[in-house]
Amino acid sequence: ETGVTQSPTHLIKTRGQQVTLRCSSQSGHNTVSWYQQALGQGPQFIFQYYREEENGRGNFPPRFSGLQFPNYSSELNVNALELDDSALYLCASSLVGTLHEQYFGPGTRLTVT
Amino acid sequence: AQTVTQSQPEMSVQEAETVTLSCTYDTSESDYYLFWYKQPPSRQMILVIRQEAYKQQNATENRFSVNFQKAAKSFSLKISDSQLGDAAMYFCAYRSRTSGSARQLTFGSGTQLTVLP
Repeated sequence: ETGVTQSPTHLIKTRGQQVTLRCSSQSGHNTVSWYQQALGQGPQFIFQYYREEENGRGNFPPRFSGLQFPNYSSELNVNALELDDSALYLCASSLVGTLHEQYFGPGTRLTVT
Repeated sequence: AQTVTQSQPEMSVQEAETVTLSCTYDTSESDYYLFWYKQPPSRQMILVIRQEAYKQQNATENRFSVNFQKAAKSFSLKISDSQLGDAAMYFCAYRSRTSGSARQLTFGSGTQLTVLP
């Protein structure tokens, strides 16, 4: 069974740029959730995708967008990067119809300078 | 909206001893899940234990157990026989069971656990 993977591991961007983070779901999972974890804080829910559609969204502006592909992998896109976007971005996959147990990837550390 | 509060930013425990991490939450729902996650320096969030709100019996997983007090909205984690590998940031999390919701996790701010040899 393949676990959740994320790429890249680390990323440095400049304020105003755009970034794409990628996530591959655990085998058999059809739902992907993205979380932002600022340093020293708990993860905050960004959004969730199910069957390639956004299935819920946290308190994040529209410049945070996502995609889910037919193979259930996912992307998180952030436009017009701000310094406060510096954080660890976590992806979690789960299977609808079960306990919705969320399995997390190792995260992508984004630094915005 | 649900909130989760962890009032202990840091805790320490001697190896082989027992430690309890505290968590309180606020919700108007009656059906939900509560979780404890562990995040070591590797950053990977690992599920430690899960409690379903409709179950009165406290969950147990090997050395990890919870004290779930639904009326008080309290959900503490007890780690027995602490090991050096238990050192990590621990997060308490809430998830609704309401149908139609995204069922996202709402996390507390975490408790950094240090295990002393």
